[in-house]
Amino acid sequence: KQEVTQIPAALSVPEGENLVLNCSFTDSAIYNLQWFRQDPGKGLTSLLLIQSSQREQTSGRLNASLDKSSGRSTLYIAASQPGDSATYLCAVRGGGGKLIFGQGTELSVKP
Amino acid sequence: DVKVTQSSRYLVKRTGEKVFLECVQDMDHENMFWYRQDPGLGLRLIYFSYDVKMKEKGDIPEGYSVSREKKERFSLILESASTNQTSMYLCASSSGGLAMIEQFFGPGTRLTVL
Repeated sequence: KQEVTQIPAALSVPEGENLVLNCSFTDSAIYNLQWFRQDPGKGLTSLLLIQSSQREQTSGRLNASLDKSSGRSTLYIAASQPGDSATYLCAVRGGGGKLIFGQGTELSVKP
Repeated sequence: DVKVTQSSRYLVKRTGEKVFLECVQDMDHENMFWYRQDPGLGLRLIYFSYDVKMKEKGDIPEGYSVSREKKERFSLILESASTNQTSMYLCASSSGGLAMIEQFFGPGTRLTVL
């Protein structure tokens, strides 16, 4: 059974710092991996989608990498800003089409 | 941009009531999903649908049913609401048929059952 783990559960950094969020999964047979952002009390916003054949995807200050063989993905945020404060979730899609989510990392960027 | 809308942001119902949560997407996506999100448990899939009138059980379908009569609309039904169904409910959609590519989420409905 696929399990997705995100460490740390919470992270606080000063503004301007570069940071890395981690996501690991137990079954490497995935179709894709998706990173989301969730603001308190709101829905999920899709940030990046990496197909299983890809190694990384970039969007603005965000870069996501995927190492399928080791069951790991990282989300790199450059030059963090207070507006980046949110919970970041990763999810993997395996057979059957279902997304399996991690518990999320709650990020706080202090001015 | 894909837009997924949910009928209510906040809903308060009484135990035993029948509750309908509506979700509409405007991008002609084949697939639609209902999740619930609870602290410490994360997001869990309740039901999904990959075509009109088709539905598949997710991980926690008990106490719920769904309806998909039109491609753009996916309804979640709580036949007899109970307090343990108090939660945040999130709807999502994706294209790609069974390939199920990127999922896009609605704003969520926070349901409280008293």
